[in-house]
Amino acid sequence: KAGVTQTPRYLIKTRGQQVTLSCSPISGHRSVSWYQQTPGQGLQFLFEYFSETQRNKGNFPGRFSGRQFSNSRSEMNVSTLELGDSALYLCASSPSGTAFGNQPQHFGDGTRLSIL
Amino acid sequence: KNQVEQSPQSLIILEGKNCTLQCNYTVSPFSNLRWYKQDTGRGPVSLTIMTFSENTKSNGRYTATLDADTKQSSLHITASQLSDSASYICVVSFRSYNTDKLIFGTGTRLQVFP
Repeated sequence: KAGVTQTPRYLIKTRGQQVTLSCSPISGHRSVSWYQQTPGQGLQFLFEYFSETQRNKGNFPGRFSGRQFSNSRSEMNVSTLELGDSALYLCASSPSGTAFGNQPQHFGDGTRLSIL
Repeated sequence: KNQVEQSPQSLIILEGKNCTLQCNYTVSPFSNLRWYKQDTGRGPVSLTIMTFSENTKSNGRYTATLDADTKQSSLHITASQLSDSASYICVVSFRSYNTDKLIFGTGTRLQVFP
């Protein structure tokens, strides 16, 4: 069974641009959550989707948004990029449980975003 | 303030030795506490998930314990292997003002040498 796939693996953007990252969950998984990981702040929860609906959202500005498609694939978008948005963006999936429940979350290897 | 603190920040051990990583939290009550292993350049991998009422949970050579009274969890690694070199992250899930939240520890960086 294929794992969680995130594309692209690496991305370089400049300030002010926008970016879209993609996440394909494990087949059959309907819950997808997104995280930001930086050396300074560590891992932080961004948002979670289930059946195309945002189920929960972390404490990030509105520049960070996401969506989920009917095949459970998810995208996150960051607009008006800032230097501080440089980070590893991780996505995780689970069959149906939330990112906060007792089902294990299966993470992809992330997209490393660098802002120049 | 809700916090999750891990210690030590980094640890070096020799292959075959045991080690214990600590996670102290201030969140109470909480839904569950998880331990993840993250290899360099990879996403985290779930090791254990414990609810408030559980004391111990094992996954192969990894054993997590939870003391809800002292608000401490530990991850014990037995007979370490070179492949155990990674960051270990403790995460607490809780509910506040009708909203689910996650607090991640900053991790312990473990290096296992031959």
